[in-house]
Amino acid sequence: DQQVKQNSPSLSVQEGRISILNCDYTNSMFDYFLWYKKYPAEGPTFLISISSIKDKNEDGRFTVFLNKSAKHLSLHIVPSQPGDSAVYFCAASTGNTGKLIFGQGTTLQVKP
Amino acid sequence: NAGVTQTPKFQVLKTGQSMTLQCAQDMNHEYMSWYRQDPGMGLRLIHYSVGAGITDQGEVPNGYNVSRSTTEDFPLRLLSAAPSQTSVYFCASSRGAKNIQYFGAGTRLSVL
Repeated sequence: DQQVKQNSPSLSVQEGRISILNCDYTNSMFDYFLWYKKYPAEGPTFLISISSIKDKNEDGRFTVFLNKSAKHLSLHIVPSQPGDSAVYFCAASTGNTGKLIFGQGTTLQVKP
Repeated sequence: NAGVTQTPKFQVLKTGQSMTLQCAQDMNHEYMSWYRQDPGMGLRLIHYSVGAGITDQGEVPNGYNVSRSTTEDFPLRLLSAAPSQTSVYFCASSRGAKNIQYFGAGTRLSVL
């Protein structure tokens, strides 16, 4: 059973517009959420995270929103740039195990 | 600072062969993990370690063994490779359970 789901395999947006990537989870014990970005032939790189005690975290052009009641988080990229084109993974963890459970990923294409 | 180093980058095996994927980190991180990435499946946790001498299973541990004799190294062993193990393998490390995981560049494995 997939505990973390990214239901949109792909997203295409115009340069300068907002990109919104979504992620749903089923395990209410998750208390830490992260977004990773991955380019082809490279390992994932950390983008932004949020603790379950918060509902928003912002870092430059990237903002993550957490809705615990809906078990939903989203990543907003404003403004989107062509260099943002990559696969984006959301991930969640619980307790102090260090285990990360990833979603399937969403491929973002930002068109010039 | 090398970060997380994985070797080899590419490997082709025949069914039934054994091999070890190497992972080393030079950041003195306690937590290390192995993931596999398959199309449409995201990254799935194979095994993880919370410190030297301590390992545990992730989501998809069957067919893989690990050990953690030092803080720096976390090798992944395939005892008898199967075509279903064709995948891209990523190793990651972090300082603590709620810290960012840093990923290696990956090992692309094909089992014929």
